[in-house]
Amino acid sequence: LAKTTQPISMDSYEGQEVNITCSHNNIATNDYITWYQQFPSQGPRFIIQGYKTKVTNEVASLFIPADRKSSTLSLPRVSLSDTAVYYCLVGDLGAGNMLTFGGGTRLMVKP
Amino acid sequence: EAGVTQFPSHSVIEKGQTVTLRCDPISGHDNLYWYRRVMGKEIKFLLHFVKESKQDESGMPNNRFLAERTGGTYSTLKVQPAELEDSGVYFCASSQEGGGRADYGYTFGSGTRLTVV
Repeated sequence: LAKTTQPISMDSYEGQEVNITCSHNNIATNDYITWYQQFPSQGPRFIIQGYKTKVTNEVASLFIPADRKSSTLSLPRVSLSDTAVYYCLVGDLGAGNMLTFGGGTRLMVKP
Repeated sequence: EAGVTQFPSHSVIEKGQTVTLRCDPISGHDNLYWYRRVMGKEIKFLLHFVKESKQDESGMPNNRFLAERTGGTYSTLKVQPAELEDSGVYFCASSQEGGGRADYGYTFGSGTRLTVV
C-alpha cells in the first residue's frame, strides 16, 4: 500500500473552507484514494473516495490531479462539529482488503 | 440499519488478567475486521474474517491474542494474559462481500478502550 503524508494538524474558523492535502507519491495504478473522519471516542467514518479528477458528495469534495501523486480533501464552510481527525488512505480498497492508516490530520475548528 | 456494535466500551483490567472484547457487525456483512490503536501510535490492522474463516491474521501481535467468529456472525477478541502494552482502543469494522457500493466503505464501531494497569 502506498505511504501517505499529510499535515499533523490544522486550525480553521467556522464558515471557512478547509483544504487538507495528502501526498502519495508511490500510488499504484489500481489504488483508490479514500478519506475517513474520526471524532473523539468514535471509530473512523468514510467520507469520500476517488480515483482521479474530482469527486463531490454532500459532505466534501476530493480533488485529484492527473498524476495522482497527491489529493486534496475540501470541506466547505466548516462548523465546530467538523473538528476531528481526517485520514487519507491509498490502496486497492475493494471489500476484503485491510486499511492502512497514517497519522491523520487533526482539524480544529474555532468559533 | 444498525451499525457495528462493540462491547464493552471501556475495560480496565490488571496485568495478567483476561479480557474478551465483542463485536457485532452489520447484519449480512461477511467481512469483519479488528484494528487497534495503542497510545501515541497509528491505527493498525489486526485481522480479517470472511464469514467464520480467518482470511488474514498478519497483524495479530502475538499468541496472547485470540479472535473467533463462530457461525460467521459476531466476533470476540480475547487477550490472555493482558500486558501493559496492550492498552489502547480496539476497533471492529465490517463490510459487505464484494463491496457493491461505490464507496467500498467500511463501517467501524466506536471501539473498546482497554486499559491494563
